[in-house]
Amino acid sequence: AQKVTQAQTEISVVEKEDVTLDCVYETRDTTYYLFWYKQPPSGELVFLIRRNSFDEQNEISGRYSWNFQKSTSSFNFTITASQVVDSAVYFCALINTDKLIFGTGTRLQVFP
Amino acid sequence: SQTIHQWPATLVQPVGSPLSLECTVEGTSNPNLYWYRQAAGRGLQLLFYSVGIGQISSEVPQNLSASRPQDRQFILSSKKLLLSDSGFYLCAWSMTSGNTIYFGEGSWLTVV
Repeated sequence: AQKVTQAQTEISVVEKEDVTLDCVYETRDTTYYLFWYKQPPSGELVFLIRRNSFDEQNEISGRYSWNFQKSTSSFNFTITASQVVDSAVYFCALINTDKLIFGTGTRLQVFP
Repeated sequence: SQTIHQWPATLVQPVGSPLSLECTVEGTSNPNLYWYRQAAGRGLQLLFYSVGIGQISSEVPQNLSASRPQDRQFILSSKKLLLSDSGFYLCAWSMTSGNTIYFGEGSWLTVV
């Protein structure tokens, strides 16, 4: 069965700290896609990144970086030099055929 | 470019009343369409998805239903709302299976 686990329910950091959000997934598929979404207080889900199972290269986008390791079934997300605007709930997700399976989310609070 | 809109943004309905949430995608054809629900403080649950007109798959048995009367229109309905139907409802779309899923602004439903 497909499953996404985000063990960290809530994380609090002070501005400028680095923070890593963990994501562990389970799937029997050899081809799959992983995602991260950000949900700010407004509620809308904002797409951050999509990664397919054949591409294990880490990716960096500004202050955001992602570490994909198939050996440990993990797709972790790091925010460098966090800012107050990064405060949100972050969801990791896995595509199973046509359906997106979400983790339970990690609430990140960045304090000034 | 593609856009997705859903309405109404906020809804307060009495128990036993009907519900209709609408979602429209623009700028693409034959998208996959989805309805998700997020209960307060919880993760996202897939309710329905559709890969074409008249093709609806239900993920969770409940008193909600979905319809796709046109290619880019997806409607979530209920004949009689329950208190447990309260939550944040998100419509979403993707080009094809495995592609990125993009979400609408969401609709806050409170059943009183």
